Amino acid sequence: SSELTQDPAVSVALGQTVRITCQGDSLRSYYASWYQQKPGQAPVLVIYGKNNRPSGIPDRFSGSSSGNTASLTITGAQAEDEADYYCNSRDSSGNFWVFGGGTKLTVL
Amino acid sequence: QVQLVQSGAEVKKPGASVKVSCKASGYTFTSYYMHWVRQAPGQGLEWMGIINPSGGSTSYAQKLQGRVTMTRDTSTSTVYMELSSLRSEDTAVYYCARDRITMVRGVYYYYMDVWGKGTTVTVSS
Repeated sequence: SSELTQDPAVSVALGQTVRITCQGDSLRSYYASWYQQKPGQAPVLVIYGKNNRPSGIPDRFSGSSSGNTASLTITGAQAEDEADYYCNSRDSSGNFWVFGGGTKLTVL
Repeated sequence: QVQLVQSGAEVKKPGASVKVSCKASGYTFTSYYMHWVRQAPGQGLEWMGIINPSGGSTSYAQKLQGRVTMTRDTSTSTVYMELSSLRSEDTAVYYCARDRITMVRGVYYYYMDVWGKGTTVTVSS
């Protein structure tokens, strides 16, 4: 399968913890990477691999994976975390890449 | 610092072609593959394909096979994405993104670490 499935929208209260999930068969073979996109801006890598953050990404962002599901967790969500989040991985064949449909995160 | 600078916005008529460029700097151009990703208005990210700047080999999304061509010019550290037979559904922001592969304890991680700012392509009669 070449699909990654994400919930379209998730909300979290300021300072609370939120988990955004991504499901797909390819995640049994490949780790997901996660991208944050704010309106009018290019995506930014926030998590890759098992649980790796690029330089400059706050440590409140973390990743995990189990079976066919990858998760992005924000512990202590901030107002500036309000954005769209996309997961991505190679597809099951390994020849192509695929994005999830994206999750719009609202921080209340 | 690593930068990907994309060409400016384009307006094209249905049936025409568009060629978008992405100039890399701050790293060895031929050492990293490059992806192209697009985003239609109000929609999610769509992977279009990948090019190896060293040898020029490519892999395209099945949906775009036959209409998309990715090339590179190593003398200017620039990759190009050409999309032909444009239709209104091709109206989108087109991004280039550098491919990265990291191995940790025998496990490979694949991700896109640096993105261009995007090029808006509008297809309208």
